[in-house]
Amino acid sequence: NAGVTQTPKFQVLKTGQSMTLQCAQDMNHEYMSWYRQDPGMGLRLIHYSVGAGITDQGEVPNGYNVSRSTTEDFPLRLLSAAPSQTSVYFCASSYRVGNNSPLHFGNGTRLTVT
Amino acid sequence: AQTVTQSQPEMSVQEAETVTLSCTYDTSENNYYLFWYKQPPSRQMILVIRQEAYKQQNATENRFSVNFQKAAKSFSLKISDSQLGDTAMYFCAFMKLNSGNTPLVFGKGTRLSVIA
Repeated sequence: NAGVTQTPKFQVLKTGQSMTLQCAQDMNHEYMSWYRQDPGMGLRLIHYSVGAGITDQGEVPNGYNVSRSTTEDFPLRLLSAAPSQTSVYFCASSYRVGNNSPLHFGNGTRLTVT
Repeated sequence: AQTVTQSQPEMSVQEAETVTLSCTYDTSENNYYLFWYKQPPSRQMILVIRQEAYKQQNATENRFSVNFQKAAKSFSLKISDSQLGDTAMYFCAFMKLNSGNTPLVFGKGTRLSVIA
């Protein structure tokens, strides 16, 4: 099993550009989520999904879109990048949310918006 | 809404010594889970230990143990015999039990440095 795979590892964007961060898991996990990590802020939830076709907003959803067309994939789209979106992004999945299934994290994507 | 507070932004400990990282949380729930995650410089997030709130016994995993005080809403992590490889950011996290859609809520983290 590859676990949770995030691509790319690093990305530099110019303000206004759009891009998609990819996340895939091969563990048949129902739950997938995106967090952003900023210094002194910990991990903040952007969007999450409890199954294919179901998505919901987290704490900081503005400027981001997600979709969950398959169980395996949960891409995060930045529609028009802003410098405030400079951050490290983590995708995480678990078998199910609401029990003690631990979150499995990808290795993160460091995004810089200039 | 649940909140998780880690009051120590940075800590340091001598190699082989013991260190305790603090975590408090605020919730009106009675059933929930608590977690500690470690993030070394590699940026990878690694689950260290977890505790079910309905269990009175404190969880332990080798050199890592917790002091879970449900009434005080406190969930501290003790690292015994600290090793250089324990140098990392540590995040405390909370999750409601059987709540369907409620994700994990993280604290802001404590940066731990183990000094040789």
